[in-house]
Amino acid sequence: GAGVSQSPSNKVTEKGKDVELRCDPISGHTALYWYRQSLGQGLEFLIYFQGNSAPDKSGLPSDRFSAERTGGSVSTLTIQRTQQEDSAVYLCASSLGGGAGEKLFFGSGTQLSVL
Amino acid sequence: AQRVTQPEKLLSVFKGAPVELKCNYSYSGSPELFWYVQYSRQRLQLLLRHISRESIKGFTADLNKGETSFHLKKPFAQEEDSAMYYCALRYTGNQFYFGTGTSLTVIP
Repeated sequence: GAGVSQSPSNKVTEKGKDVELRCDPISGHTALYWYRQSLGQGLEFLIYFQGNSAPDKSGLPSDRFSAERTGGSVSTLTIQRTQQEDSAVYLCASSLGGGAGEKLFFGSGTQLSVL
Repeated sequence: AQRVTQPEKLLSVFKGAPVELKCNYSYSGSPELFWYVQYSRQRLQLLLRHISRESIKGFTADLNKGETSFHLKKPFAQEEDSAMYYCALRYTGNQFYFGTGTSLTVIP
């Protein structure tokens, strides 16, 4: 594809429901990142994949958050039992996965609103 | 531990005035620093990286290891520079840590 694709672009859900956010990275990019963007918090790191494995899950805020990546490509971020404080823009980025000056390519994000 | 600090959440300057967005980092290894920018209703995108020693859209940033800083500068601000700017640190391989961002407004 032309760039990193995220779906849905907007998601409104009720407190307590589960949500799945999807990220389609640029073809051939081995590294994939999830960030959360909220007012006053900037860009908060959630998780990083190299291939299908996640060397760093340290940013996941609670055990309600999980992510997986299959086939070295598509990734899903799942939030269980959503809370109002989960409302934010969830950004996905991908990169080639090596080399100095590595550039991240971002998707347009999923705006999550928990009512 | 916070690895990147952007002390200004909001910054306003007049068109034609110099602008400096501050970024300080803490990292014991050899740092790679970047500036990313998000214009209104656009995706977050790379502006420049220290390793390239480049000037993009009139912006420059010098890595100062002594002061652990990577401030972004432009001598004459333009209205189209109004955006959200994030400083980022690459560490332990391919992991990137972003600061909290600075929202720049250039007043006509």
